[in-house]
Amino acid sequence: GQQLNQSPQSMFIQEGEDVSMNCTSSSIFNTWLWYKQEPGEGPVLLIALYKAGELTSNGRLTAQFGITRKDSFLNISASIPSDVGIYFCAGQDAGGTSYGKLTFGQGTILTVHP
Amino acid sequence: DTGVSQDPRHKITKRGQNVTFRCDPISEHNRLYWYRQTLGQGPEFLTYFQNEAQLEKSRLLSDRFSAERPKGSFSTLEIQRTEQGDSAMYLCASSSQGQPQHFGDGTRLSIL
Repeated sequence: GQQLNQSPQSMFIQEGEDVSMNCTSSSIFNTWLWYKQEPGEGPVLLIALYKAGELTSNGRLTAQFGITRKDSFLNISASIPSDVGIYFCAGQDAGGTSYGKLTFGQGTILTVHP
Repeated sequence: DTGVSQDPRHKITKRGQNVTFRCDPISEHNRLYWYRQTLGQGPEFLTYFQNEAQLEKSRLLSDRFSAERPKGSFSTLEIQRTEQGDSAMYLCASSSQGQPQHFGDGTRLSIL
């Protein structure tokens, strides 16, 4: 099935560093979401973006909805060990007959060294 | 505030057997989605319910798969005659209209 192009695939960083990851699509989405998944658990919602150009923060996390509606990025500032996990972007098209299903990226595996 | 609940968390079965998973969404959510996630990949959409009506099905949902949401509350996903390729994490998500989807912790299916 279709998936978004998410990069990088993995990141190894030192505690305290900033992190940036992004997601691109050949299709336009009306909503972009970022989720975090830890082993054995389901994805947990981090940030939802609803308008092109929107910049939204949630604590140390900042995400932007690209102006073309075909991309989004997520930044994590001052990383800490509990930021470890897999981060997924997801696009949602509420138009037509899609009924809001999500299309996910392949994920970015984040490892933080203390 | 209870989240999305899925049962069982793990299922190990022999090839050819039938399996059924259950999802209990967040109580006020009328939208329910099933996704499948294989190792190293993001979740992929399987099917969508609005209340009790199944309104969208992915091509991933072969004839061996069936899902129901009989009273518009909990949902079940059944796989008949399981195959090796069915091994995956099956995730359920729910939402209200205009709100983001919240996921359960999934059922991990292993086919021997």
